[in-house]
Amino acid sequence: QSVLTQPPSVSGAPGQRVTISCTGSRSNIGAGYDVHWYQQFPGTAPKLLIYGNSNRPSGVPDRFSGSKSGTSASLAITGLQAEDEADYYCQSYDNTLSVVVFGGGTKLTVL
Amino acid sequence: QVQLVESGGGVVQPGRSLRLSCTTSGFTFSSYGMHWVRQAPDKGLEWVAVTSYDGSDKYYADSVKGRFTISRDNSKNTLYLQMNSLRAEDTAVYYCAKGITIFGVADYFDSWGQGTLVSVSS
Repeated sequence: QSVLTQPPSVSGAPGQRVTISCTGSRSNIGAGYDVHWYQQFPGTAPKLLIYGNSNRPSGVPDRFSGSKSGTSASLAITGLQAEDEADYYCQSYDNTLSVVVFGGGTKLTVL
Repeated sequence: QVQLVESGGGVVQPGRSLRLSCTTSGFTFSSYGMHWVRQAPDKGLEWVAVTSYDGSDKYYADSVKGRFTISRDNSKNTLYLQMNSLRAEDTAVYYCAKGITIFGVADYFDSWGQGTLVSVSS
């Protein structure tokens, strides 16, 4: 049971927009801690996709965007492409557990 | 460019020990908190441990507290994870990851190694 809750899977057709939610609580996202997102392809290491709720590292297409409100955050992907098919994880910090916490991950399927 | 290379994984019997290493280059190792994150087969990411930039502060996930020890050698730009009393549930790919702050608290990870597989089985 992950501290941050993500849907196990989402899907969308090429060109569409999809969102992945990340729900936390008052001891992590709701406490003001930033949310970060990672993209992971099978058999490879995760890659930082969004940091500080809504910032993109250099090289990440602007089709990817992040937002945060209250105890939740979201990752949005617009203009969906086949190459976006991957697992996506949210991450934050929990001040009750005093540890970094991850969501359980969401598998994105491009139809 | 930043590079993180893990080593030391392998097959080990329950109750035995293993030490992982993460050799780094391309950044000032002694200026950042460093983490270990693991991923069990077909499961999600689990944060394991963090050490501050100078090794003075260390924090662990409850699942490994008392069994695993994180350490670093800034003269060698290398991060370590000493794993004792290994259990089947410790089977995972172990990644080292670079934090973005000196203390490693509330960090995110801007660089990851390729991972090393630890398999605990009799």
